[in-house]
Amino acid sequence: AQTVTQSQPEMSVQEAETVTLSCTYDTSESDYYLFWYKQPPSRQMILVIRQEAYKQQNATENRFSVNFQKAAKSFSLKISDSQLGDAAMYFCAPHTNSGYALNFGKGTSLLVTP
Amino acid sequence: DTGVSQDPRHKITKRGQNVTFRCDPISEHNRLYWYRQTLGQGPEFLTYFQNEAQLEKSRLLSDRFSAERPKGSFSTLEIQRTEQGDSAMYLCASSPPAGTGYTFGSGTRLTVV
Repeated sequence: AQTVTQSQPEMSVQEAETVTLSCTYDTSESDYYLFWYKQPPSRQMILVIRQEAYKQQNATENRFSVNFQKAAKSFSLKISDSQLGDAAMYFCAPHTNSGYALNFGKGTSLLVTP
Repeated sequence: DTGVSQDPRHKITKRGQNVTFRCDPISEHNRLYWYRQTLGQGPEFLTYFQNEAQLEKSRLLSDRFSAERPKGSFSTLEIQRTEQGDSAMYLCASSPPAGTGYTFGSGTRLTVV
């Protein structure tokens, strides 16, 4: 079974600043995908960014980017120019080709202050 | 297509009653997943369908839980003889082939009193 560790239960960032959320995972497979999901309070979970493990280039989606270190099994999310609407729970989730389900970490609660 | 729909949004039931939840996935997605999420935790996988076939079930899914996806379209999750520990948010998600990520519904919040 895969394990996913998000070591930061809570993080805080000021508006317009940059914050990095960490995630480490454990898998014996070489080909897999990694996802970050955002879950605002009382709202549905939405996909923020995805990374294919075979790609060395880090994925970027507007203000969101990842730092993928395959050897270290690390997949951190960087949010630049933070906005109040970024406040949410963020979940890291790897997905291997041999398994059907996404395995979620326990999440990091991000607070954005004015 | 308006995304993944779940019904009802909220359900309060007495302990021992049966409940059934419905999920309508994105029409072109052949994969459908059920997850359970309790407060302050990440979603926990319950079961997975590819078309109408239930291909994986978590050990979390006791024999009181059953899921179906007739005709490979909508899915239902039934919980029989509900217990207070079943209180949680039940999330449905759908996806096309692997690697593209899931689209989640808004969830059904179950409260067992």
